[in-house]
Amino acid sequence: NAGVTQTPKFQVLKTGQSMTLQCAQDMNHEYMSWYRQDPGMGLRLIHYSVGAGITDQGEVPNGYNVSRSTTEDFPLRLLSAAPSQTSVYFCASNIGPEAFFGQGTRLTVV
Amino acid sequence: KQEVTQIPAALSVPEGENLVLNCSFTDSAIYNLQWFRQDPGKGLTSLLLIQSSQREQTSGRLNASLDKSSGRSTLYIAASQPGDSATYLCAVRHEGSNSGYALNFGKGTSLLVTP
Repeated sequence: NAGVTQTPKFQVLKTGQSMTLQCAQDMNHEYMSWYRQDPGMGLRLIHYSVGAGITDQGEVPNGYNVSRSTTEDFPLRLLSAAPSQTSVYFCASNIGPEAFFGQGTRLTVV
Repeated sequence: KQEVTQIPAALSVPEGENLVLNCSFTDSAIYNLQWFRQDPGKGLTSLLLIQSSQREQTSGRLNASLDKSSGRSTLYIAASQPGDSATYLCAVRHEGSNSGYALNFGKGTSLLVTP
């Protein structure tokens, strides 16, 4: 039981490049979400999913896409990276109201 | 919009002290409140979850209380240890949210426990 696994742990992108941040959970949780954490700010919700095939936008969705083809995986795609997307990204899954977080992906866009 | 505030932003205490971290939220219409611990460069570890109908939860040396009507929660750490050094985050699930189990986070309290 690995919990919530995020890959990669670190990534450097050039402006305009695209990439996918991976998130997988092995707890059969229906609800999954993506947050970003920036200095001096609380974590902010990017996108979430209440189950396979169902996704919706959170507070800061612009520049990001998600899909949920299986219960286990919830990848976050950056379409055209911008310096403003430099952040630490966290994926979470829930058992009921309790959220469990991955170790994060630290992304730098230059 | 639900705002979550944590005071103090940073705290340094000698080992062995009992301490209290504070969390306040602007809208008392919440489903639950969750306390997390975050170590530098690491993810969030869930410490305690309090449902809106509950007053407190305990786990080992940690005790979290919730006063929903006044919009406050406290995390009490007994007999602090250097290993407790981390950032502690408070998050609430707002009844007015249409984002499922989405959480509103505070900015955290950075705790340093010195030997």
